[in-house]
Amino acid sequence: GQQLNQSPQSMFIQEGEDVSMNCTSSSIFNTWLWYKQDPGEGPVLLIALYKAGELTSNGRLTAQFGITRKDSFLNISASIPSDVGIYFCAGHSRAAGNKLTFGGGTRVLVKP
Amino acid sequence: DVKVTQSSRYLVKRTGEKVFLECVQDMDHENMFWYRQDPGLGLRLIYFSYDVKMKEKGDIPEGYSVSREKKERFSLILESASTNQTSMYLCASSTLTGERADTQYFGPGTRLTVL
Repeated sequence: GQQLNQSPQSMFIQEGEDVSMNCTSSSIFNTWLWYKQDPGEGPVLLIALYKAGELTSNGRLTAQFGITRKDSFLNISASIPSDVGIYFCAGHSRAAGNKLTFGGGTRVLVKP
Repeated sequence: DVKVTQSSRYLVKRTGEKVFLECVQDMDHENMFWYRQDPGLGLRLIYFSYDVKMKEKGDIPEGYSVSREKKERFSLILESASTNQTSMYLCASSTLTGERADTQYFGPGTRLTVL
């Protein structure tokens, strides 16, 4: 099925750094969701965005619903080691019914 | 808080066995979903259900069936397990109405190995 374009595919973080990732689509979405998945676990919802232009924070995480409805970004400020994991974006459009479209994930790793 | 639970975290089965994966949610959600997740392939939708006794095929339904006899419970069935069904299986649920409609909440996953 369709997949959102999520970038970067992977990134290395150093403690204290700010990091950013984004998702883009050729289609319009009504909802953007950001999840984090730790190894061997299910995805956990971090932030949900329901309105174009909306900027929402959850602790050190901030996400925005793009004004065109075709993109979203997630920022992590002052990263810490437990931020390591895979971050997924997902979008929902009314045309898709109950289903979500997922990004390929951004793998966040710690710089050695 | 939404809670989605899955009956097993790890399962090891033999080729040809019938396998049941159970999922329960406690938020009275109408929609429930089964995905499998494989490296490099992302999350792929197997089946979903929007009401009791209702089911819809996802992107990869072959080799699977589902059952939804109660609103809170959604079962995934592998009639005759094969080695290519070794995967991480994820259940999710969402509501149909309200501001958070279609926001999916996931369970912890079941890592199934078929030998």
